[in-house]
Amino acid sequence: EAQVTQNPRYLITVTGKKLTVTCSQNMNHEYMSWYRQDPGLGLRQIYYSMNVEVTDKGDVPEGYKVSRKEKRNFPLILESPSPNQTSLYFCASSTSQGSQPQHFGDGTRLSIL
Amino acid sequence: GENVEQHPSTLSVQEGDSAVIKCTYSDSASNYFPWYKQELGKRPQLIIDIRSNVGEKKDQRIAVTLNKTAKHFSLHITETQPEDSAVYFCAAGGYSTLTFGKGTMLLVSP
Repeated sequence: EAQVTQNPRYLITVTGKKLTVTCSQNMNHEYMSWYRQDPGLGLRQIYYSMNVEVTDKGDVPEGYKVSRKEKRNFPLILESPSPNQTSLYFCASSTSQGSQPQHFGDGTRLSIL
Repeated sequence: GENVEQHPSTLSVQEGDSAVIKCTYSDSASNYFPWYKQELGKRPQLIIDIRSNVGEKKDQRIAVTLNKTAKHFSLHITETQPEDSAVYFCAAGGYSTLTFGKGTMLLVSP
């Protein structure tokens, strides 16, 4: 089954404790992206990757890091999480580029106390 | 960068009525305009999309129209059903990024 898998689905943690949210897709997609969703603000792009070892900032990259060492994986790293990063996070992938239908994962709800 | 405005933020209709959600975008280089439906607690799912070389696209009860000159596009849902109740997002995309509107909560009452 074609899918985008995120882990964990839920996480409660404390300020300053490094965390990683994993994202993996099995569709051989070149393009992967991270979004955060906050009430009333819609989905905002954090980082995206056009292919292996190619990453770039989206609209709200502050406080986040990403890496793309393998085509299927695109982890989101919060080096020193803060309460304003409490949000619902979605990973998405698509063929070739951003202007293609994006397949979303089931989301990760992060709470940072 | 791209800016996408979406209206209305909430829309209540009776079952069987039509619903229209409108979006405007700012970057004339955007060439891809998808619409996503998100049910409570679930991931966004693509319901229809349109590219800048097409003015209208229809898929059963849903249709999307695009006016490139005015930089706006709209989602039309006819014969609404209670299961159409969800949050709908428009988006505008170019080569590398996709910018979303803030969403419209559609409530369809039986």
